[in-house]
Amino acid sequence: EDQVTQSPEALRLQEGESSSLNCSYTVSGLRGLFWYRQDPGKGPEFLFTLYSAGEEKEKERLKATLTKKESFLHITAPKPEDSATYLCALGGETSGSRLTFGEGTQLTVNP
Amino acid sequence: ETGVTQTPRHLVMGMTNKKSLKCEQHLGHNAMYWYKQSAKKPLELMFVYNFKEQTENNSVPSRFSPECPNSSHLFLHLHTLQPEDSALYLCASSQDSQGDSPLHFGNGTRLTVT
Repeated sequence: EDQVTQSPEALRLQEGESSSLNCSYTVSGLRGLFWYRQDPGKGPEFLFTLYSAGEEKEKERLKATLTKKESFLHITAPKPEDSATYLCALGGETSGSRLTFGEGTQLTVNP
Repeated sequence: ETGVTQTPRHLVMGMTNKKSLKCEQHLGHNAMYWYKQSAKKPLELMFVYNFKEQTENNSVPSRFSPECPNSSHLFLHLHTLQPEDSALYLCASSQDSQGDSPLHFGNGTRLTVT
């Protein structure tokens, strides 16, 4: 059974204080690992897809990386508008259309 | 209009009511999904449609009835709901349903069952 564990559950940063969010996973044949951002009262917004260990993707202050056991979402010099819940999801070869979602990390960036 | 649009944004219904949630995607995707999001729990897959055909029913109670008339539209018909069904219901679409394409979500319908 595919599993996803995100940590920490909640993270408070000062503006400009860089940090990383973790997504640990177990999967039988990775099809894709996905990062999403969710603001209160809205649906998750797609950020990145990673397909194989060693792959990296960047967008503005965010950088996602992937190893065979975990993925990190690095946030460089965050701003208050980066405050949101960040979700990690996993597609596996034995799961078909069922993505496995983590519980998310709630990020708060204080000015 | 682009992306995935869900209506209504908010819905309050009694346990004996019948209502429907609507979803429309303008991305040209072939797969559409219904997810349930409850507080402090991971997103929970309910139904998957691929090219209008239902390919997944994640043991969802029959009081939830999906309908997919074409690849762009998806409905969730609700009847005789329970208070524990109160949640954010999210529609999503993807290019295919093989687990290697990202999902694109709408902003959801916040459902309250009284």
